Amino acid sequence: DTGVSQDPRHKITKRGQNVTFRCDPISEHNRLYWYRQTLGQGPEFLTYFQNEAQLEKSRLLSDRFSAERPKGSFSTLEIQRTEQGDSAMYLCASSFSGTGFGEKLFFGSGTQLSVL
Amino acid sequence: RKEVEQDPGPFNVPEGATVAFNCTYSNSASQSFFWYRQDCRKEPKLLMSVYSSGNEDGRFTAQLNRASQYISLLIRDSKLSDSATYLCVVWGSGNTGKLIFGQGTTLQVKP
Repeated sequence: DTGVSQDPRHKITKRGQNVTFRCDPISEHNRLYWYRQTLGQGPEFLTYFQNEAQLEKSRLLSDRFSAERPKGSFSTLEIQRTEQGDSAMYLCASSFSGTGFGEKLFFGSGTQLSVL
Repeated sequence: RKEVEQDPGPFNVPEGATVAFNCTYSNSASQSFFWYRQDCRKEPKLLMSVYSSGNEDGRFTAQLNRASQYISLLIRDSKLSDSATYLCVVWGSGNTGKLIFGQGTTLQVKP
């Protein structure tokens, strides 16, 4: 399977714990995005990388959230001191961009986080 | 005001019906527009891009009105398999790489 893969598929944690999610994009894609989605809402932008550089981060993202893409391949999203409001589906997407934006995003199946 | 707004529905239509979804966006400098489809408990997938001149893909027609900042999706001859949530997506302007998703419109096609 050469699509975007995310791990784990599900994560249940207690409030206050730290969690880390991993995303492996399609290998030739240079852009990688993290989105968050709650029930009945569309995906909400969190951050994106072009190669290893984190180029944009949502103002909605608190300091408890951090993302990395150290070698321009896979990415991790860490949430520290989780809160119940962090419960959501965390979606990773990748794309290849030549000269512009708005290119086709390929999404992974997501990581469903439940904070108890 | 949300950057991308959609009527969440649900739209309940019989098989064979024609249904239209609308979407408005707030940033007049937005440059790229898309419709994504999301099945229940699945990831979003690109349905079609939206071009200024309007474009068609089989039973699906997308239109863009830049003056009114309005995007539409028309589905003709609805099939049961069209049941899903349809997400309006807008790429902003300038150097941002952020694609902004609307809330989604849920379509339920009934036999």
